[in-house]
Amino acid sequence: QKEVEQDPGPLSVPEGAIVSLNCTYSNSAFQYFMWYRQYSRKGPELLMYTYSSGNKEDGRFTAQVDKSSKYISLFIRDSQPSDSATYLCAIKPGNNRKLIWGLGTSLAVNP
Amino acid sequence: DTEVTQTPKHLVMGMTNKKSLKCEQHMGHRAMYWYKQKAKKPPELMFVYSYEKLSINESVPSRFSPECPNSSLLNLHLHALQPEDSALYLCASSQVRLAGGLGANVLTFGAGSRLTVL
Repeated sequence: QKEVEQDPGPLSVPEGAIVSLNCTYSNSAFQYFMWYRQYSRKGPELLMYTYSSGNKEDGRFTAQVDKSSKYISLFIRDSQPSDSATYLCAIKPGNNRKLIWGLGTSLAVNP
Repeated sequence: DTEVTQTPKHLVMGMTNKKSLKCEQHMGHRAMYWYKQKAKKPPELMFVYSYEKLSINESVPSRFSPECPNSSLLNLHLHALQPEDSALYLCASSQVRLAGGLGANVLTFGAGSRLTVL
């Protein structure tokens, strides 16, 4: 079983839709959870990070962590064509271990 | 300044060539990273420098040689590469540690150097 699982998609939605992106992880000891966005031909950029169960909101983006289910989500409200990118979840298990990345989900928001 | 700058953006080299990739940041970050990314795959960690000292080498072949001349610069020297080494090479930086231990997780990436080995 992979430590982090993420459906690579692709996911295609109309402009204005609510997008839900998800990852599951295997180890309940994992502590820090991040979402990165990567546009084509660019490096990843950090969107959101959190270390506790619950929701964290930033504009149109909400990150949700459910540690009991080992499930993390990123919601995008009122999606825009400029949100078209690959979204990667990343988990930091704790000190002295490297980031564990999901495969990334390719998202296309159609005008 | 919140950028990580990588040069060159594109590089084509033969298997006998020697070339270098360069990375620069002026955010005061004391941890710098090299990642390799293949198409439709997540970034794969290669090397980590912490306070200009190599702290992690993920069993990378010796044809890749990192160098950290100072706290702002990171190089990756390339020699005798193979076609399968063709990839996007990403540099990243971070603070070494913040309160709560999150500093090392918050990576700022450059745009990458796209390498093609013929």
